[in-house]
Amino acid sequence: EAAVTQSPRSKVAVTGGKVTLSCHQTNNHDYMYWYRQDTGHGLRLIHYSYVADSTEKGDIPDGYKASRPSQENFSLILELASLSQTAVYFCASSWTHYEQYFGPGTRLTVL
Amino acid sequence: AQSVTQPDARVTVSEGASLQLRCKYSYSATPYLFWYVQYPRQGLQLLLKYYSGDPVVQGVNGFEAEFSKSNSSFHLRKASVHWSDSAVYFCAVSMGTSNTDKVVFGTGTRLQVSP
Repeated sequence: EAAVTQSPRSKVAVTGGKVTLSCHQTNNHDYMYWYRQDTGHGLRLIHYSYVADSTEKGDIPDGYKASRPSQENFSLILELASLSQTAVYFCASSWTHYEQYFGPGTRLTVL
Repeated sequence: AQSVTQPDARVTVSEGASLQLRCKYSYSATPYLFWYVQYPRQGLQLLLKYYSGDPVVQGVNGFEAEFSKSNSSFHLRKASVHWSDSAVYFCAVSMGTSNTDKVVFGTGTRLQVSP
């Protein structure tokens, strides 16, 4: 079965600190995505990648960087965490534009 | 602009009743269409998908959806809901097939099944 894992599952960070969220997939999918979900809201696309060593900006990329060092791994980096980045972050993978497989999410709290 | 609209933020139905959750999209061609479900504190899981062919597609747990090209819609249905169906349901549309085309998600419909 398709598998997407995320680490950490939850994190408390301080304002101005650096945060790295990691995602690993064993699906052999080409596309990977990072979304954020705020309480009571839908998903918003931050960054995505369709090939290793390349990333694309999504709808809300400001304040976030992404890294895709291999097909299996995709990281989201918050260089200077801010209070407004408190949210749940989901990673997903897919084969081209077909259905996405989601990870369990990372709950990030910035204090 | 390409968009996906789920007009009902919350829906409450009684257990055993039928259900329809609405989804409309704005896109010139026929897209790939999806419904996902999110249970509390979990990631999204695929319920069903439409790529082409028969406009009525079957999914897991008795869910089905019908694609209407004329109405640009992809409504989700279930004949008889169970309390365990309480969750948030997202409609998603893949707008195009080039590398930089994206999947657009609706804002979700929170379903509450009452006993």
